[in-house]
Amino acid sequence: AQSVTQLDSQVPVFEEAPVELRCNYSSSVSVYLFWYVQYPNQGLQLLLKYLSGSTLVKGINGFEAEFNKSQTSFHLRKPSVHISDTAEYFCAVSDGSNDYKLSFGAGTTVTVRA
Amino acid sequence: NAGVMQNPRHLVRRRGQEARLRCSPMKGHSHVYWYRQLPEEGLKFMVYLQKENIIDESGMPKERFSAEFPKEGPSILRIQQVVRGDSAAYFCASSPGLAGAGEQYFGPGTRLTVT
Repeated sequence: AQSVTQLDSQVPVFEEAPVELRCNYSSSVSVYLFWYVQYPNQGLQLLLKYLSGSTLVKGINGFEAEFNKSQTSFHLRKPSVHISDTAEYFCAVSDGSNDYKLSFGAGTTVTVRA
Repeated sequence: NAGVMQNPRHLVRRRGQEARLRCSPMKGHSHVYWYRQLPEEGLKFMVYLQKENIIDESGMPKERFSAEFPKEGPSILRIQQVVRGDSAAYFCASSPGLAGAGEQYFGPGTRLTVT
């Protein structure tokens, strides 16, 4: 089974500053990679996903992530955050054979302050 | 179009009681997935169901846990004789067909506390 490590549990950041959330996964022959966001009292929402092709993936709300196969990483970035980006962020992975079975990291809580 | 609904949002049970968690998928979705998030851990896959069928229950604990998705009504995750270690957030997701590649739509979760 895949395992996912999110290296930071809490990330405080000032408004309009950049943010990077780190994610590493256990290696496999082929993987699909995802970032989800959970706003307070809501379900998880897909931010972006990597299936194949370009290693730089752009998602919603100005987020992007870069797939690095050699480092088995899929870090999420945003160049300038807003207060509304305060949420919990989850990195997830599935392998190609059972791609409905997602494995999640423990989550990173981003708190944006004015 | 309402999203995935889960109820109750918070559930408190004493050790030995039964917990019933409900999940109503998005309209038109016939596939349901349950995940559990233990404290300080990521979500872990438990079970995948279609209407009236369990497709993959490889993540379900062998005892006390069961899941169903009847022809009519919500999907139910049932935990019998709860223990403190069952305290967790339980998330449900749904998809219109077999969901690959992140096509699962998640509910807000049910937070179960066992006292």
